[in-house]
This record gives sequence, structure tokens and C-alpha cells, in this order.
Amino acid sequence: DSGVTQTPKHLITATGQRVTLRCSPRSGDLSVYWYQQSLDQGLQFLIQYYNGEERAKGNILERFSAQQFPDLHSELNLSSLELGDSALYFCASAPGTSGQETQYFGPGTRLLVL
Amino acid sequence: GQNIDQPTEMTATEGAIVQINCTYQTSGFNGLFWYQQHAGEAPTFLSYNVLDGLEEKGRFSSFLSRSKGYSYLLLKELQMKDSASYLCAVRDWGAGNMLTFGGGTRLMVKP
Repeated sequence: DSGVTQTPKHLITATGQRVTLRCSPRSGDLSVYWYQQSLDQGLQFLIQYYNGEERAKGNILERFSAQQFPDLHSELNLSSLELGDSALYFCASAPGTSGQETQYFGPGTRLLVL
Repeated sequence: GQNIDQPTEMTATEGAIVQINCTYQTSGFNGLFWYQQHAGEAPTFLSYNVLDGLEEKGRFSSFLSRSKGYSYLLLKELQMKDSASYLCAVRDWGAGNMLTFGGGTRLMVKP
């Protein structure tokens, strides 16, 4: 158990809908990272937040957005869902934002868009 | 951008040793990580290299050569539970210090 929690574990929805994925980092960690993992793309970095502020952006679509709240939990919002958005979504946390820190991953949310 | 290459699949026998290679190209290398991921589960941290050489942790070791853009993960005394994907990830100053993951190597351990 990494200490990172994610809810829900599974999510099934329809195309065009909007969903919110939630992540709570390990105690004391200020950075949260979001990743998407699909069968054909591997693990892709989406976005990072540090202490409530957006720190870095990766391959995140405009239909996706995220935020980190004062209690440091983070939410990833996915809207206008398409079939291709079906994937595992992981969040990871780390103490800070320097280059040397290890990221610890949560159990993931499996999203299925029908 | 970054390019991270690792074999897609490998097979090995229980009790044996296997080496999983990873080659990378970066504009500003700042560390290499290995993660293990069982199917449908979260990646779990195995090792971290930022300087050249070998880091040993029990049955697992990881090696880095920055001049060659090369790393390997060595797994000794293989067990059936080692069947998993092994992800090589590189941190690059030129990419905002973010982690970029390779496609992973799926290792099957056979009796």
C-alpha cells in the first residue's frame, strides 16, 4: 500500500458525459501527478500540481482539467468523454517538486466509456 | 523530446537471472527510475539511478551508464510473482523535470 488513495476504483459511463476522479496523496506529500494508461499508449503524464498550484502539463487534452484543494487532495475532471478515453487513470504523489523524488502511485481508477 | 526503448516482452525460468534493458535519449538527464507493475495494478517503485554504476537492492539491481544512455534492471533468483511489466522512466530537465515512461517490458516467469 503506497498511502495514495484514489476513488472510485471503477467507473462506467457513456460518451459525451463528464466524470470526476479523486486522489488523496500520501501524508505530507505536496505534489500530485496524474497519468493516463491505455493499452496502446503506455503510461502518459497528464498534469502536476504542487501545493495547490499547477506546476507542469503533459499530454492533457483541453477536455480534461484538474485542481488541487487546500487539503491537498486533487480531482481530475474529464468531460465530453469519448470511447478513446477508456483507460486506467493513476495519480502519484511526492513530497515536493525537485528532480530527485520518487513518485508513489495510487491504485488507479479504471474508466470505461461506452 | 525523449525516446525510451525497452523490449516489449521477455520470458525467463523460475530461479534464473534476467536482464531488462532500457535505452533513452534526453536533452537534460536527471535520473532514471524502474517500476514494477502487475496487470491492472499501480506501478510500484523498484530503483533509482542518477549516477553511473550499479545500485543493488536484494534480488533486484539497476545499472546506469549516462554516456551511453543505457540502463538495465537485473532480477536474480526469479520467482513466479516476478511476472509483471517493468517500466523504465526518465526524468529530463529539458522536459520540465517530468517523468517520461517507456512502454514497459512484460516479463513472464515460467516454472
